[in-house]
Amino acid sequence: AQSVTQLGSHVSVSEGALVLLRCNYSSSVPPYLFWYVQYPNQGLQLLLKYTSAATLVKGINGFEAEFKKSETSFHLTKPSAHMSDAAEYFCAVSDSEQYKDTGRRALTFGSGTRLQVQP
Amino acid sequence: KAGVTQTPRYLIKTRGQQVTLSCSPISGHRSVSWYQQTPGQGLQFLFEYFSETQRNKGNFPGRFSGRQFSNSRSEMNVSTLELGDSALYLCASSPTLTGAGTDTQYFGPGTRLTVL
Repeated sequence: AQSVTQLGSHVSVSEGALVLLRCNYSSSVPPYLFWYVQYPNQGLQLLLKYTSAATLVKGINGFEAEFKKSETSFHLTKPSAHMSDAAEYFCAVSDSEQYKDTGRRALTFGSGTRLQVQP
Repeated sequence: KAGVTQTPRYLIKTRGQQVTLSCSPISGHRSVSWYQQTPGQGLQFLFEYFSETQRNKGNFPGRFSGRQFSNSRSEMNVSTLELGDSALYLCASSPTLTGAGTDTQYFGPGTRLTVL
């Protein structure tokens, strides 16, 4: 079964600084990977997803993530943080092999990283 | 296009009661998934419905059930509520059955259930 580990439940950066949110996954085969963002009192919004095409994925709001198979990682980055980026970020994995075997697949989420942006 | 809507947004119940939550997917979407979000357990998958049939189920007790109607709207029911059922319940819709491809799941704002 797949799993997702997000290192750091809280990350604080200064406005204009680099944002790096870490995500490592565990899966027997290359999975589909997602980053979602959740603003207070709202649902989840997709930032970007990796579906075995390009390993560097660009998403909305200037975010991007790189799939590194050798490191089983899918870290989220943004060159310059903005105050509006303050939110909780979730990495999720969808197991393509599970679907082939069982016809079932659901998203497995990491525990989330709360990003604070200091002025 | 309207997004995923969930009603009610907030709900307060007492232990032992039952509750029904509603989700209307994006127009044209046929898959609806439900997730529970709590501070302790994070986001956990409950179940997925597609074409009025439950296609996938997470590790939750039988007190948690759901259904989907012919218009793709879905309801989730929790019977005999426990304190630990207090959570944000999120509904997500997708054009096709998740796993059929790489379709994105679009989430609603959630229903916050408090059990006293």
